Amino acid sequence: ETGVTQTPRHLVMGMTNKKSLKCEQHLGHNAMYWYKQSAKKPLELMFVYSLEERVENNSVPSRFSPECPNSSHLFLHLHTLQPEDSALYLCASSQGRGQDTGELFFGEGSRLTVL
Amino acid sequence: AQKITQTQPGMFVQEKEAVTLDCTYDTSDPSYGLFWYKQPSSGEMIFLIYQGSYDQQNATEGRYSLNFQKARKSANLVISASQLGDSAMYFCAMREVLWDNDMRFGAGTRLTVKP
Repeated sequence: ETGVTQTPRHLVMGMTNKKSLKCEQHLGHNAMYWYKQSAKKPLELMFVYSLEERVENNSVPSRFSPECPNSSHLFLHLHTLQPEDSALYLCASSQGRGQDTGELFFGEGSRLTVL
Repeated sequence: AQKITQTQPGMFVQEKEAVTLDCTYDTSDPSYGLFWYKQPSSGEMIFLIYQGSYDQQNATEGRYSLNFQKARKSANLVISASQLGDSAMYFCAMREVLWDNDMRFGAGTRLTVKP
């Protein structure tokens, strides 16, 4: 138990569907992250939120839309995805961002398959 | 440019023996943190050990130790007395303070412990 919970754990969707991934952290952290992990590629940082404000968007296609309604919750809205978007999506949180060199706490991931 | 390099895609070790997983990094930031994570087949990223750039001594956590050679920019993970449950992917990561402070990961090393 890392204190970061992701749902759903597995998701299969068609290219025309709209779905959302949810992440919740119970650690009182101020920064939250979405990472994408594809086969045979390093983890790719997608989005960073610090104090509920998006501070980074690493050239992610607009079919991925993040939302951070409060410091404990993070969503990734998915719309008209492509088969190459099939991957493990990992949510993480940390105490802060800026001067922080502390570890990230990860959820168990949401494994997405796009048909 | 790749900031974290793990040159061993796969490693094998006999149960009860020690194994070293290599990691080199690239940064001009004087302040940074180095991390190792373990990822079993279930997908969650488990934090193992942390080394700060100003730490004088090598970090240790139980059977894990980090061989930190700052001048060579290497941060190898040593696992002593390997167990079958150590079979997993292992990722080296870094957070820089002056750059964007986001955690960047290497490509990972798959460790297999043989009985």
